[in-house]
Amino acid sequence: EVQLVESGGGVVQPGGSLRLSCAASGFTFSSYWMSWVRQAPGKGLEWVANIKQDGSEKHYVDSVTGRFTISRDNAKNSLYLQMNSLRVEDTAVYFCARDYSVSSHWGQGTLVTVSS
Amino acid sequence: EIVMTQSPATLSVSPGERATLSCRASQSVSSNLAWYQQKPGQAPRLLIYGASTRATGIPARFSGSGSGTEFTLTISSLQSEDFAVYYCQRYNNWPPWTFGQGTKVEIK
Repeated sequence: EVQLVESGGGVVQPGGSLRLSCAASGFTFSSYWMSWVRQAPGKGLEWVANIKQDGSEKHYVDSVTGRFTISRDNAKNSLYLQMNSLRVEDTAVYFCARDYSVSSHWGQGTLVTVSS
Repeated sequence: EIVMTQSPATLSVSPGERATLSCRASQSVSSNLAWYQQKPGQAPRLLIYGASTRATGIPARFSGSGSGTEFTLTISSLQSEDFAVYYCQRYNNWPPWTFGQGTKVEIK
């Protein structure tokens, strides 16, 4: 059974940093693109970033480019999102999702709150 | 950037009735369109991809149609577990993949 478990969320002040993790199991992690998608409280979904199987290709939504970095460790079956220079508008539940574009497997999400 | 617009924002339907949800793209996305269902406190669940292909395990009462800029998700006979928010998502021409704002299907 495919499982994705996010961790690392919490409360951080504007301008601060946070690193999210996603532990994957139940599939060959190194064979799949992986993605991060977020959802602000009471709002819709926003695709944030994705990363190729070997980490050689990464894509970001404009609003996080230069501030967020997606990475992975295939030996640890783990996906990461390093978030720097956080803004109030980055407050959201962050989901990790398997695959490049259309995702049939999602984690339950981790809440990031950016507030002073 | 391609904008996805869903209508209506809220759809009130009685159990057993048919629900028709619309998604419009500001420019053609061909058939690169997916539909997701999301219930409160849960992750999205993939229903449809390629505009009309049901994902694994999705009941036949869910169907998708359309191409180019106009798409429809139809739920033929609403069950109690179908009351949720539905999102369309286009996935052509990164960056980025974009979602519609959602349609809430509520009990009438």
